[in-house]
Amino acid sequence: DTGVSQDPRHKITKRGQNVTFRCDPISEHNRLYWYRQTLGQGPEFLTYFQNEAQLEKSRLLSDRFSAERPKGSFSTLEIQRTEQGDSAMYLCASSLVRGVFSTDTQYFGPGTRLTVL
Amino acid sequence: DQQVKQNSPSLSVQEGRISILNCDYTNSMFDYFLWYKKYPAEGPTFLISISSIKDKNEDGRFTVFLNKSAKHLSLHIVPSQPGDSAVYFCAARGNGNKLVFGAGTILRVKS
Repeated sequence: DTGVSQDPRHKITKRGQNVTFRCDPISEHNRLYWYRQTLGQGPEFLTYFQNEAQLEKSRLLSDRFSAERPKGSFSTLEIQRTEQGDSAMYLCASSLVRGVFSTDTQYFGPGTRLTVL
Repeated sequence: DQQVKQNSPSLSVQEGRISILNCDYTNSMFDYFLWYKKYPAEGPTFLISISSIKDKNEDGRFTVFLNKSAKHLSLHIVPSQPGDSAVYFCAARGNGNKLVFGAGTILRVKS
């Protein structure tokens, strides 16, 4: 399977704990995106990387959230001191951008479902 | 502010008939539009896309139409099949390449 993979698929944690999610993009893709989806809504953009550089962060991404892509391959998203409002599906997507006119079609992983008790 | 809107929360269609899913947007700077399909407990699956310089794109049973003056796009599925039953999301690419999604439309295809 050469698609985007995410680990874990499900995470249940208690309020105040830290959690970390991992995303492995499609191997040749240079862009990696994180989105969050809550019930009844579409995915909302959190942040994205071009290779190892984090190029944009949403206002949704509070100081408790941090994302890394240390070698331009896999990425991790960490949430510190989780709150009940962090409960959501966290989606990772990747794309291959070759130039200014690239269409940048994003392919999504299966997501990590976070439940904060 | 909701820049991408899917005003129909759900749609029910008979197998073999046409399904038409609609999407409206407000930001004239969007330059690329995509439709994704999502099954429960899975991530969105890319279906079809269209650049803002085109007004139609076809891929098998799926056709996307873009009306830039009306800021409206639609996805046509012909013929509809029971396996098409899923949530469909419209997305638009804005500044910084991030996608802005609508809230989704649940499509049920009845056999």
